[in-house]
Amino acid sequence: IAGITQAPTSQILAAGRRMTLRCTQDMRHNAMYWYRQDLGLGLRLIHYSNTAGTTGKGEVPDGYSVSRANTDDFPLTLASAVPSQTSVYFCASSKEAGSYGYTFGSGTRLTVV
Amino acid sequence: SQQGEEDPQALSIQEGENATMNCSYKTSINNLQWYRQNSGRGLVHLILIRSNEREKHSGRLRVTLDTSKKSSSLLITASRAADTASYFCATALLQGAQKLVFGQGTRLTINP
Repeated sequence: IAGITQAPTSQILAAGRRMTLRCTQDMRHNAMYWYRQDLGLGLRLIHYSNTAGTTGKGEVPDGYSVSRANTDDFPLTLASAVPSQTSVYFCASSKEAGSYGYTFGSGTRLTVV
Repeated sequence: SQQGEEDPQALSIQEGENATMNCSYKTSINNLQWYRQNSGRGLVHLILIRSNEREKHSGRLRVTLDTSKKSSSLLITASRAADTASYFCATALLQGAQKLVFGQGTRLTINP
């Protein structure tokens, strides 16, 4: 089934630990995105990639890093987790940046304690 | 401050009634999109309307866009219990249109 796969679905993480959230799509979409969703704050863009090999910073990039080595994968890394990074993280993709709808993954619920 | 803001924040109606949600934004856009999110799930794309379009339809959904007022509305006709979800508008800005900016959503509840 074409779409986006995120892993893990949920995780409890000790503060200070490093964590990588995985995101894989099989639609050959050029653009990929990471958002976090928090109650009362909506969805906020963390990082994006318009095409393989390029990345850019979104609205709330601090504490996060991404890479886009190929078209399909767009992992998000928390170098040293803090409790304020407790959130639901969504990966999304679109055929091209800017003019197409997004396909979202099912999300990763991360709790930093 | 948010680029897109939905109104109302919450809406509760009876099954069979029409539901209207509004979205206002601040800066010029390339396009505006509406998404649905069921509880605990990812967002699902519903409809995209470009800045040079005024109205689009998809099944029971009707979206309008008024660029002079910087506003959009989503109408769901003949609502069903399965329409219960949160609905988000998202704008692709004219400047830097590579990424969407989401509003905080309208929580829609359809009562049987």
